[in-house]
Amino acid sequence: DIQMTQSPSSLSASVGDRVTITCRASQKINNYLNWYQRRPGEAPKVLIYAASTLQSGVPSRFTGSGSATDFTLTIDTLQPEDFGTYYCQQTYSTPYTFGQGTKVEI
Amino acid sequence: EEQLVESGGGLVQPGGSLRVSCAASGFNFSDHYMAWVRQAPGKGLEWVGRSRIAANRYATEYAASVKGRFTISRDDSKSSLYLEMNSLKTEDTAVYYCVRDKTFWSGRHFYYYMDVWGKGTTVTVSS
Repeated sequence: DIQMTQSPSSLSASVGDRVTITCRASQKINNYLNWYQRRPGEAPKVLIYAASTLQSGVPSRFTGSGSATDFTLTIDTLQPEDFGTYYCQQTYSTPYTFGQGTKVEI
Repeated sequence: EEQLVESGGGLVQPGGSLRVSCAASGFNFSDHYMAWVRQAPGKGLEWVGRSRIAANRYATEYAASVKGRFTISRDDSKSSLYLEMNSLKTEDTAVYYCVRDKTFWSGRHFYYYMDVWGKGTTVTVSS
């Protein structure tokens, strides 16, 4: 199975900050990489798919980049509703493994 | 509105069995791959498995942790997805989410991402 490792595991940030989360795959996955946001009490929501394609309705302050094994999710100008846990997921091969999550806290 | 509603969760003893269901509405269920994702208490998301569509003979794929114990099936006439869980272990305790596995064709490659999620059903394996 492909292992996905996110860093950091958690971070503290303030409204207006720029936040960067990284995700590393244990082998090359081209750009088969998705990012999800999980707010407390809610189901996960897809933000980015194919490494850099913004899902419809997701604010443009979310940006995904990377390919092969190293990927980044950037949140420009952090908003109060952005706090929660973020997960990367590879869909290069099944099982479609997730990273362990990055908790973004105030 | 596109919606997924899970049901059937509950308390089961180790070694027991349980079937959870997912009812879809608001979209053409038969056109989509469907999947199950779980989250154990205090843990992250874990992909459990998925069902492809009729054109792919409803082929299924599973995580190693559940392969041979769990079975995913679907009934397109009822817009429903099922997860049959056997030989349950305490580590299977989790919230189980039914998810639509959206397919995106870039013109060169197929991409998959989970774009519709249910609210989840809780499965507790304990004596």
